[in-house]
Amino acid sequence: KAGVTQTPRYLIKTRGQQVTLSCSPISGHRSVSWYQQTPGQGLQFLFEYFSETQRNKGNFPGRFSGRQFSNSRSEMNVSTLELGDSALYLCASSPGTDSLSTRATFGSGTRLTVV
Amino acid sequence: AQTVTQSQPEMSVQEAETVTLSCTYDTSESDYYLFWYKQPPSRQMILVIRQEAYKQQNATENRFSVNFQKAAKSFSLKISDSQLGDAAMYFCAYRSSRAGGTSYGKLTFGQGTILTVHP
Repeated sequence: KAGVTQTPRYLIKTRGQQVTLSCSPISGHRSVSWYQQTPGQGLQFLFEYFSETQRNKGNFPGRFSGRQFSNSRSEMNVSTLELGDSALYLCASSPGTDSLSTRATFGSGTRLTVV
Repeated sequence: AQTVTQSQPEMSVQEAETVTLSCTYDTSESDYYLFWYKQPPSRQMILVIRQEAYKQQNATENRFSVNFQKAAKSFSLKISDSQLGDAAMYFCAYRSSRAGGTSYGKLTFGQGTILTVHP
């Protein structure tokens, strides 16, 4: 059974640019959550999608957005990149019903560097 | 809002020995889940162990066990017979069990503890 796939693994962007990260969940999983990991702030929740709908959102500016497709694959987009957006972005997938979503499976992340 | 605190930035242990990682949390909820995740250099977060707050019995998974003290809001991880492969960053995490709304998909993590295992 394939795991959670995040692409690309590494990315270097310039300030002011925008970036799109991709996450393919485990087959059959309908919920995808995104997290930002930095040395200073640790792991912070960005948002969660289920059946193409955003169900929950963390405290991030509107430059951070996401979407989910009918095959459950998810993308997150960051516009007008800032140096502080440099981070490891992790996504996690789960079946989606509350009782099962406590067994989220994480991907290996996308390391974004903004220069 | 819930908070999770790991007061040990770094810990070390000799191979085959036992080590305990500490975690405290703050919440006004009575029902929730607590987790320990392991993040090796490969960066993938791996679930080590899970505890439901309504269960008094401490969870165990092979060499990993927890000491869950609900009244004290404490959730420590004990690793027995430590192995070189246990070296990683360990994160304690909280998830509300309340259905819907702001609990969907959201884990609240501590700052992490780097565990070094010496041969």
